[in-house]
Amino acid sequence: EPEVTQTPSHQVTQMGQEVILRCVPISNHLYFYWYRQILGQKVEFLVSFYNNEISEKSEIFDDQFSVERPDGSNFTLKIRSTKLEDSAMYFCASTRQGYEQYFGPGTRLTVT
Amino acid sequence: AQTVTQSQPEMSVQEAETVTLSCTYDTSESDYYLFWYKQPPSRQMILVIRQEAYKQQNATENRFSVNFQKAAKSFSLKISDSQLGDAAMYFCAYRRGNTGTASKLTFGTGTRLQVTL
Repeated sequence: EPEVTQTPSHQVTQMGQEVILRCVPISNHLYFYWYRQILGQKVEFLVSFYNNEISEKSEIFDDQFSVERPDGSNFTLKIRSTKLEDSAMYFCASTRQGYEQYFGPGTRLTVT
Repeated sequence: AQTVTQSQPEMSVQEAETVTLSCTYDTSESDYYLFWYKQPPSRQMILVIRQEAYKQQNATENRFSVNFQKAAKSFSLKISDSQLGDAAMYFCAYRRGNTGTASKLTFGTGTRLQVTL
């Protein structure tokens, strides 16, 4: 069964460094998302992406964040200058028709 | 803005028994979808069940079923014949609008379900 994959599973970075989180959505899906979950808290929406452009972004998704679909398979989230409060689990999700979203296993980001 | 409320931070159920997790939501939309996701200790988000708002019939997936009360804006999850593998965090989620759009999911705060022998 096709699934969403994410790499790396765990990323440790120093404050102020740039990180890129990678996702490979399910191949025939058209809509892509990033969510984050701070430990012990609920899952929060960051951004949605369709037809090579951002569809919607949350207040969290400020100028430090960017997304890209550099080729036909990858979907990336870049954080330009990480802060301590960016430490969280980051989930990529995809869907074909904007219906039920399938989540990847997540990338745990630790900013020290 | 849509909100999703899960008022039970933790629930406990004995193996083979039935448990119901509560969820309420607030929306002014008429067209939307509701979901339950399971998050085991691995933190993977696993879709359990979905409900289309336009359907009156409650969704069922094996041991999982929902009680969807549209007028009350309530969407509870019933787990029958609970198994140890059901122990996880359960999140209720709301998605507005039709298919063919990139609408986001709005999640509740979650209910941690413990399953005891």
